[in-house]
Order: sequence, then structure tokens, then C-alpha cells
Amino acid sequence: AQSVAQPEDQVNVAEGNPLTVKCTYSVSGNPYLFWYVQYPNRGLQFLLKYITGDNLVKGSYGFEAEFNKSQTSFHLKKPSALVSDSALYFCAVANFGNEKLTFGTGTRLTIIP
Amino acid sequence: KAGVTQTPRYLIKTRGQQVTLSCSPISGHRSVSWYQQTPGQGLQFLFEYFSETQRNKGNFPGRFSGRQFSNSRSEMNVSTLELGDSALYLCASSNGQGSSYEQYFGPGTRLTVT
Repeated sequence: AQSVAQPEDQVNVAEGNPLTVKCTYSVSGNPYLFWYVQYPNRGLQFLLKYITGDNLVKGSYGFEAEFNKSQTSFHLKKPSALVSDSALYFCAVANFGNEKLTFGTGTRLTIIP
Repeated sequence: KAGVTQTPRYLIKTRGQQVTLSCSPISGHRSVSWYQQTPGQGLQFLFEYFSETQRNKGNFPGRFSGRQFSNSRSEMNVSTLELGDSALYLCASSNGQGSSYEQYFGPGTRLTVT
């Protein structure tokens, strides 16, 4: 079975500071890892994915994520936070040949002006 | 390209009734997945359809069913509604060529069961 853990329900960051949203995963075989963002009353919006290759993945809106196989982690990062980054962030994992996404419980990111 | 559309956006039903939700995927996408989002359980996978066939299924009771049409549009049905079925139901589409491809989500249908 595959699973994802987002250990922080809430992360607060001052505007302009770097941000990190944590994610660890468990899956048999090679993981396909994703980050999605959800704004109020909206569906999920794709940010980035790791399939294979470079451990540092760059995505939309200046976000990036670092895949660490030994720590089974896929943390989301951004060098300089914007107030507009405030939203709910979900990490998800999929397995080869299976479209099912297993999501973490989400982390609410609040950027403080 | 137009995004994933879901209708209706909001729905209020009474316990015991049934409901049908609709999802139109991005043009060219053949895979449609459904997810239930609740504050308590988070995002949970319901099922996935590809080329009119259910390809994956989550751990939901048989009251939850779905189908996909030849144009890839999908519907999900919930019969004998319970209060706990109140949730945001999200539909996602992808090209279905493998789990390495990202899924694109619609805005969701907010179902309230009273």
C-alpha cells in the first residue's frame, strides 16, 4: 500500500522568507510524487512532479521540490514567499501503472505580510 | 484548452435520495478519476475510468458508482445518501498513459446532505 505523510497541519512564514512544506512517502517500487495546491472553493492545481531524473524538480509559481530517496521525502520549497502563496498544499504519490493518487492530509500555508 | 468542468457546482439533497454528478475532462484526455474531499478524511480516491471501463477502485461502499461515456465524459452516482456523504467531490482527468502523468482537477461539486 502507498501512503503519504505531511507532518505539519499549518506552516506560517513571513513574506520574503524561504518556505518549506514537508512530505514523506511510502510506496513499493519507484514512486511518482506530486504537489498540488488548493485555493478556497477551488479544485486542486498541479504544481510539480517527480518521476525520475534530477532530484530537484522545478514547478509552477517559483516552487521546487527535492526528492530524497534515502529519507523517502519530497519537500516543497520556495526561496521567497509571497502572500499569494497562502493556500492548502497537498503531497501525493502514485505507483507505476496505477492512476490512483494517494494524498497526504494537507498543509495550510499562511504567508504573513 | 478548456479545463475540467463539473456540474453542478453545488447540490443539496436529503438523506435517502440519490444524486448524479457530471464531469467533462480536458479534450483528448481518456482517464477520469473521482475523489471525495472531507475535513475529516481528507482526499480519498473513489474510482478511475479509462475508455469506458473502470480501471481502479477505492474503498467506498457500493452506493458509490460511476460510468464513462464514449466521449470520455463521466458521471458518478451516489444512492441512498447519508449525512456522511456531504463532501466536495472532485473529478480529475489525465491522458491515461500512465501514472507518471499529472491529473488535472475540476472545481468540484459541493454536495450537502440534510
